Amino acid sequence: DIQMTQSPASLSASLGETVTIECRASEDIYNGLAWYQQKPGKSPQLLIYNANSLHTGVPSRFSGSGSGTQYSLKINSLQSEDVASYFCQQYYDYPFTFGSGTKLEIK
Amino acid sequence: EVQLQESGPGLVKPSQSLSLTCSVTGYSITSNYWGWIRKFPGNKMEWMGYISYSGSTSYNPSLKSRISITRDTSKNQFFLQLNSVTTEDTATYYCARSYCGIAFDYWGQGVMVTVSS
Repeated sequence: DIQMTQSPASLSASLGETVTIECRASEDIYNGLAWYQQKPGKSPQLLIYNANSLHTGVPSRFSGSGSGTQYSLKINSLQSEDVASYFCQQYYDYPFTFGSGTKLEIK
Repeated sequence: EVQLQESGPGLVKPSQSLSLTCSVTGYSITSNYWGWIRKFPGNKMEWMGYISYSGSTSYNPSLKSRISITRDTSKNQFFLQLNSVTTEDTATYYCARSYCGIAFDYWGQGVMVTVSS
């Protein structure tokens, strides 16, 4: 199985700041990566697919980048509604695997 | 709008089978891929498997001997059966659409299942 190592586990930032969350795959996943946001008590919401494609309806302050084994999610101009957990998922190879998640809080 | 809704018992005894239903509205399950994902206490996520538009299935090898995903196209529902459950199967179970077999773009609200005697 492809292991996804996500960092940091938690993050505290101020409103308006830019934050970056990273995922490292145990082997090349050729941009087969998605990012999700999950708010407490809610189901996950797709933010990014194919490493850098913004899903329909997702604010443009979210962006994804990376290649090979290293990928990142950037949130510009942090808003209060961005408080959530974020996790990555690779779909390059079966079984699909997920990162361990990052909990984002407002300072 | 595509909507998914999980249903099933919230409590299952060890060694028994866990059975969940995912009811889909707004989109036919004869298109795309339909999966089950679970989130354990402690937040680890696990892809369990999916059933495709044609009815073919793919399972996580870690579950392969215990899992079955089936469907009823007349009701636009798909199902999860997990046999011989243990306390380690306690989790929140989600059904989701996997667009073109990749990212999950629509999710159900999740159902918490506890395995306990």
